[in-house]
Amino acid sequence: QMHLEESGPGLVKSSGTLSLTCAVSGGSIDSASWWSWVRQPPGRGLEWIGEIYHVGATNYDPTLKSRVTISIDKSKSQFSLILTSVTAADTGVYFCARRRPPAYGTDVWGRGTNVFVSS
Amino acid sequence: DIQVTQSPSSLAASVGDRLTITCRASQDIGTYLAWYQQKPGEVPRLLIYAATTLQWGVPSRFSGSGSGTDFTLTITRLEAEDVATYYCQKYDSVPRTFGQGTRVDLK
Repeated sequence: QMHLEESGPGLVKSSGTLSLTCAVSGGSIDSASWWSWVRQPPGRGLEWIGEIYHVGATNYDPTLKSRVTISIDKSKSQFSLILTSVTAADTGVYFCARRRPPAYGTDVWGRGTNVFVSS
Repeated sequence: DIQVTQSPSSLAASVGDRLTITCRASQDIGTYLAWYQQKPGEVPRLLIYAATTLQWGVPSRFSGSGSGTDFTLTITRLEAEDVATYYCQKYDSVPRTFGQGTRVDLK
């Protein structure tokens, strides 16, 4: 059974760069899948950040596009999120997840990792 | 961008009640809509995909309907374990927007 696990610093300074990695196990990262990042600010709803296809194509939320980069490292079976120029509004739980195209929903989620942006 | 509006934002119901949550897209998204359940402190769980298809392992009291712009998640007989926040998500195009969420509590 596929398992995703996020890792990265839980504390990032304001104006700095948030960097997270998602390790994929129990299945192939090189399968036909969109590998996604979703976040949840404290007490609020889910926010889609972006995704990368197993062959490298990326999509990002327009409001974050100028600050976000998602990449994939198949040799390490992991994909990563970089978010630059962070502010307090970027504080929250960050989830990595998998969606199989074209019609399936996001069916595999990591447990999430808390990120706090400090001033 | 296509907007997704979910309603109500919250509701309270009794065990055994039938519940309906609505998700409306500002443009036609076909059947590219999913529903998720998130219990407090837990990870979102996929309930329904392609608007009407029940994810493996999800109880049959959950069902989804709709296409185009109007979609519904129905819980036919609410159980205590269904207390959670429910989200819809469109995935026809970018951005893959989530609805605002519907919090379900017990009366």
